[in-house]
Amino acid sequence: GENVEQHPSTLSVQEGDSAVIKCTYSDSASNYFPWYKQELGKRPQLIIDIRSNVGEKKDQRIAVTLNKTAKHFSLHITETQPEDSAVYFCAASNSGGSNYKLTFGKGTLLTVNP
Amino acid sequence: DGGITQSPKYLFRKEGQNVTLSCEQNLNHDAMYWYRQDPGQGLRLIYYSQIVNDFQKGDIAEGYSVSREKKESFPLTVTSAQKNPTAFYLCASSGLGGAEAFFGQGTRLTVV
Repeated sequence: GENVEQHPSTLSVQEGDSAVIKCTYSDSASNYFPWYKQELGKRPQLIIDIRSNVGEKKDQRIAVTLNKTAKHFSLHITETQPEDSAVYFCAASNSGGSNYKLTFGKGTLLTVNP
Repeated sequence: DGGITQSPKYLFRKEGQNVTLSCEQNLNHDAMYWYRQDPGQGLRLIYYSQIVNDFQKGDIAEGYSVSREKKESFPLTVTSAQKNPTAFYLCASSGLGGAEAFFGQGTRLTVV
């Protein structure tokens, strides 16, 4: 089955700096890669996703890149703000498979210091 | 108001007792999932279902059971066979084929 590794487990940055979180996946059939943000005491919510037919996607201060050959994808947050502090999860799935499921990484605790 | 609802928010169980966590969605999603969240462990998949009356084991299914009698509902039973049941449980639903998953607010289960 799919295995998703996520690094780092914790990340601390100064407000205004950039943050990068990296994930690798094992199943070459995976083609859908979402990122979720979980604030303290709240449910995870989708912030951005990418499919295997594109290499990069941006939405304001966040972007995701995908390298299918190396089987890794990354989340980039620019101009970080204190409200970006949360746990971020990457995930992978095979959207065309008959056994569709989302496999998550272990999460990255991002702290943005004012 | 559309969404996915878990109940209760907090649940206490005595050792040796089974307990059932509720998950209901009105998003007309085909797929539903149960995840367990422990500190430093991320979201681990317990069971998932893509269609009524069918479900599959995830990575940590031992000691858990589910049913999918209705499209809207996917209850999870934590049995006495689960050795370490104290955790935060999250239910999610999505369309099939690479669609956004929506999560419930979670149930925190504590064995006392």
